[in-house]
Amino acid sequence: DIQLTQSPSFLSASVGDRVTITCRASQGISSYLAWYQQKPGKAPKLLIYPASTLQSGVPSRFSGSGSGTEFTLTISSLQPEDFATYYCQQLNSYLLFIFGPGTKVDIK
Amino acid sequence: EVQLVQSGAEVKKPGESLKISCKGSGYSFSTYWIGWVRQMPGKGLEWMGIIYPRDSDTRYSPSFQGQVTISADKSINTAHLQWSSLKASDTAMYYCARLFEYVGTTPPPIAYWGQGTLVTVSS
Repeated sequence: DIQLTQSPSFLSASVGDRVTITCRASQGISSYLAWYQQKPGKAPKLLIYPASTLQSGVPSRFSGSGSGTEFTLTISSLQPEDFATYYCQQLNSYLLFIFGPGTKVDIK
Repeated sequence: EVQLVQSGAEVKKPGESLKISCKGSGYSFSTYWIGWVRQMPGKGLEWMGIIYPRDSDTRYSPSFQGQVTISADKSINTAHLQWSSLKASDTAMYYCARLFEYVGTTPPPIAYWGQGTLVTVSS
């Protein structure tokens, strides 16, 4: 079974900082990786899929890269509304998806 | 406007059965996959399984196979998640989630989410 890990699991940053979150898969998953943002008490929101394609309406300060086993989500200049938990998700043709454990981005 | 509206919060005792619902509107309910996601208190997201309402093709993640039942009633545009015997460890928020259209060979991510149903199991 494919496993996803995320690093770091927690990061503390300031408004304006550049933030990078890494998601690693235990085996190659091509570009079938999505990134979601979840704020407390809310359902997650899709940011990026596949791997590097920004979804409509998502601010351009978000970007994704990678393929195979290593992927990154970068926020170029952290804004107050970006403090949230970020999850990567591996997708496959059988539609039995796997989420990463999450990265919480907190205010320094 | 696409909406997924879930049934309200539930408080149950261990051993009881439960069926929660997710009603879709604003799109062709039968032709989009709907999945269920568990989020235990303070924890991450877990993919439970998914159903295609048109033909009831249902797939379960290994951790949830045999533990829950996913169904859909296309006559009322509603998907269900049910338990026959709840445990305290089933206490969680449960989200239904509709995928983008599955076109070609690229599996689609989640486009829309329900608001979540909080299930509390306690004696």
